[in-house]
Amino acid sequence: AQTVTQSQPEMSVQEAETVTLSCTYDTSENNYYLFWYKQPPSRQMILVIRQEAYKQQNATENRFSVNFQKAAKSFSLKISDSQLGDTAMYFCAFMAFSYSGAGSYQLTFGKGTKLSVIP
Amino acid sequence: DTAVSQTPKYLVTQMGNDKSIKCEQNLGHDTMYWYKQDSKKFLKIMFSYNNKELIINETVPNRFSPKSPDKAHLNLHINSLELGDSAVYFCASSRTYNSPLHFGNGTRLTVT
Repeated sequence: AQTVTQSQPEMSVQEAETVTLSCTYDTSENNYYLFWYKQPPSRQMILVIRQEAYKQQNATENRFSVNFQKAAKSFSLKISDSQLGDTAMYFCAFMAFSYSGAGSYQLTFGKGTKLSVIP
Repeated sequence: DTAVSQTPKYLVTQMGNDKSIKCEQNLGHDTMYWYKQDSKKFLKIMFSYNNKELIINETVPNRFSPKSPDKAHLNLHINSLELGDSAVYFCASSRTYNSPLHFGNGTRLTVT
């Protein structure tokens, strides 16, 4: 079974500073996908960034970038120039093929990190 | 236009009742999901359908029954509601099996 661990339940950062959220995962699969999702107080789940395991280059999306270390099974999210609107729960998620049932790719979430951006 | 819409947004009901949550996506995606988010914010998959066919059915009580009349809709029916069913339920869709998920805004179910 795949597991995703986010070891930081809560974090805070000053506005305009940089913060890194950690995520580790456990899998025996070689082909998989990793995601960071954001859930602001509005409750909506928003995709922040995606990384394919076969790609060595770290994904970047504007102020959001990841540090993907495949051997260490680590997938951290760096938020640069933090803004008040970045205040949210951040979920790391792992997707790989699941052989249960008819077989499909299954997304497994970590327990989340609550990020507060302080003015 | 909302890509994945689910109704109602809030649902308050008494124990023992039967209720349904509807979900529709206008993205043309093949795969749809139901996730449950508990009070500690943990998200766990419940069901997944691909082109109206059930492909993931996690350990969920039989009181929960998904229904997919077409690939754009995946409704969730819950019988004999219990206090422990209180949670936020998210519908989601993805273009293919291994594409990112697009989530609805969630339905907060409160069972009293």
